Amino acid sequence: AQKITQTQPGMFVQEKEAVTLDCTYDTSDQSYGLFWYKQPSSGEMIFLIYQGSYDEQNATEGRYSLNFQKARKSANLVISASQLGDSAMYFCAMREHAMDSSYKLIFGSGTRLLVRP
Amino acid sequence: EPEVTQTPSHQVTQMGQEVILRCVPISNHLYFYWYRQILGQKVEFLVSFYNNEISEKSEIFDDQFSVERPDGSNFTLKIRSTKLEDSAMYFCASSEAWGGEGTGELFFGEGSRLTVL
Repeated sequence: AQKITQTQPGMFVQEKEAVTLDCTYDTSDQSYGLFWYKQPSSGEMIFLIYQGSYDEQNATEGRYSLNFQKARKSANLVISASQLGDSAMYFCAMREHAMDSSYKLIFGSGTRLLVRP
Repeated sequence: EPEVTQTPSHQVTQMGQEVILRCVPISNHLYFYWYRQILGQKVEFLVSFYNNEISEKSEIFDDQFSVERPDGSNFTLKIRSTKLEDSAMYFCASSEAWGGEGTGELFFGEGSRLTVL
């Protein structure tokens, strides 16, 4: 079974508008972490935002916010006021805290975002 | 700002040749990882390394792969006899231990692109 599901292979958004990238996850752990990474065309992986499973408030980092709905097991990334430089691949990832886990991240298949001028 | 560095950025090799990819993790980090991303696909976990030994490895990480921390700063991935399907971007990452301050976020290097001909 997929641990991390990103159902949108590609998304378009108009510059300056907000966009939501979907992510659902599957885990039986009580304690886990959710991450979003950005991968521009140059290939590097850039950390954007983190949400812990026990965090009661949604995480925010500048123009990025995470819409965390624990009961629905979703952790959608919201980018406000999109910029041309936001065009990239976006990966949702989860870290489980099982005893035999080495804190590795499990990634979704990614969403390619294209910001239109 | 401390960063993970990887060399080489791109390596082309013939099938059957040995390849060593090198990484310098962030100096105070305790966990080290290798991930792989085949072109156009998601990022896949290969192996994690802690306290000078492998703590977890994926099915991809077969006997052709090995990791080593030869000196106190470098962390290497060796592929003994490369196959065409080993062509991918290989990312090194490091993280602090879970708990305490911080998210335990993985910091990624910029990747080493391996092309096997």
